[in-house]
Amino acid sequence: GENVEQHPSTLSVQEGDSAVIKCTYSDSASNYFPWYKQELGKGPQLIIDIRSNVGEKKDQRIAVTLNKTAKHFSLHITETQPEDSAVYFCAATQAAGNKLTFGGGTRVLVKP
Amino acid sequence: GAVVSQHPSRVICKSGTSVKIECRSLDFQATTMFWYRQFPKQSLMLMATSNEGSKATYEQGVEKDKFLINHASLTLSTLTVTSAHPEDSSFYICSARTGLAGGQGTDTQYFGPGTRLTVL
Repeated sequence: GENVEQHPSTLSVQEGDSAVIKCTYSDSASNYFPWYKQELGKGPQLIIDIRSNVGEKKDQRIAVTLNKTAKHFSLHITETQPEDSAVYFCAATQAAGNKLTFGGGTRVLVKP
Repeated sequence: GAVVSQHPSRVICKSGTSVKIECRSLDFQATTMFWYRQFPKQSLMLMATSNEGSKATYEQGVEKDKFLINHASLTLSTLTVTSAHPEDSSFYICSARTGLAGGQGTDTQYFGPGTRLTVL
């Protein structure tokens, strides 16, 4: 089955700096890669996703890149703000509606 | 759009009792819903996949007789934790799959806010 590894497990950045989270996956058949943000005591919120037919996608301060050859994808947050502090999870699946395999999560702390 | 709700948000019960958690898709029809549990500072662990009108598919190691799942309509799935014990205390989260989008044959999962279960 699919295995997703996520690094780093914790990330502390100064407000205004960029944050980068990296994930690798094992199943070359995976073609859908969402990213979720989870705040304390809440459910995960989809923030961006990418499908295998594109290499990069951007939405304001958030961007995701995908390298299918190397089987890794990354989340980039620019101009970080304190409200970006949360746990971020990457996931992978063969199709968007199928079972998601999650990474272990990255706890991001943005220091004012 | 694509809002998923859960009820209750928090429940405390005595050991041996059963607890039902509801998951609703508020503004879309969800042919498939997923149930997860999450322990503190850990990732989400898929428990089962629930398809409307059919039996749920459980992940390996998840007791189907203990975690009863019913998906009777396109907007509602329920998870019942039967004879709950302290080790069942956890954060239970559901997600719902939206319909097909853009003719691409792909769709997206949206998560509910979670239910914190504490078994005394």
